[in-house]
Amino acid sequence: GNSVTQMEGPVTLSEEAFLTINCTYTATGYPSLFWYVQYPGEGLQLLLKATKADDKGSNKGFEATYRKETTSFHLEKGSVQVSDSAVYFCALKPNFGNEKLTFGTGTRLTIIP
Amino acid sequence: DGGITQSPKYLFRKEGQNVTLSCEQNLNHDAMYWYRQDPGQGLRLIYYSQIVNDFQKGDIAEGYSVSREKKESFPLTVTSAQKNPTAFYLCASSSGTAHDNYGYTFGSGTRLTVV
Repeated sequence: GNSVTQMEGPVTLSEEAFLTINCTYTATGYPSLFWYVQYPGEGLQLLLKATKADDKGSNKGFEATYRKETTSFHLEKGSVQVSDSAVYFCALKPNFGNEKLTFGTGTRLTIIP
Repeated sequence: DGGITQSPKYLFRKEGQNVTLSCEQNLNHDAMYWYRQDPGQGLRLIYYSQIVNDFQKGDIAEGYSVSREKKESFPLTVTSAQKNPTAFYLCASSSGTAHDNYGYTFGSGTRLTVV
């Protein structure tokens, strides 16, 4: 079956530090890959996505590259801000049928001023 | 603007009561989903519906019920059979088609507390 494995948190960084949150997946074929962000007390928002191998998704300074050879979709940001403190979820969607999204367990990120 | 609305934002339930959480979308999405999130935990799927008048159990359906009488609406009832209902509930929707690469749109959630 499909699965997503995320780096366990919580992750605590100082402002302006470099961020990497690891995400690897198991799926048949070529799924679409997503990163969602959840700010405290809110629902999930789509942060970025990639739909095929070597695609790079980017938004708000965050980037992730779809690596088929390593089945990974690691989230990176060059200089984090306090406002980036949130929970980040990696997810995949198979590109056939009406398959539901499979989510990782989420990684809580805290940025210290 | 199109979106998905959950209400109420906070809900309190007495022991033995049923409560219904509302979820409405105006995105013309066919598929809708209910998730439960416990503190510090990930998402667990309760129920989902891919078309009007049809729905399926997710991973933790016991103690919950849903209906899908209209495309726009997917209410969740937390029954007295749910022994530990205190949690954050999230509703989501998607087009439900195989070639949709837009993922899900989520509501802002309802926090249910048993008092």
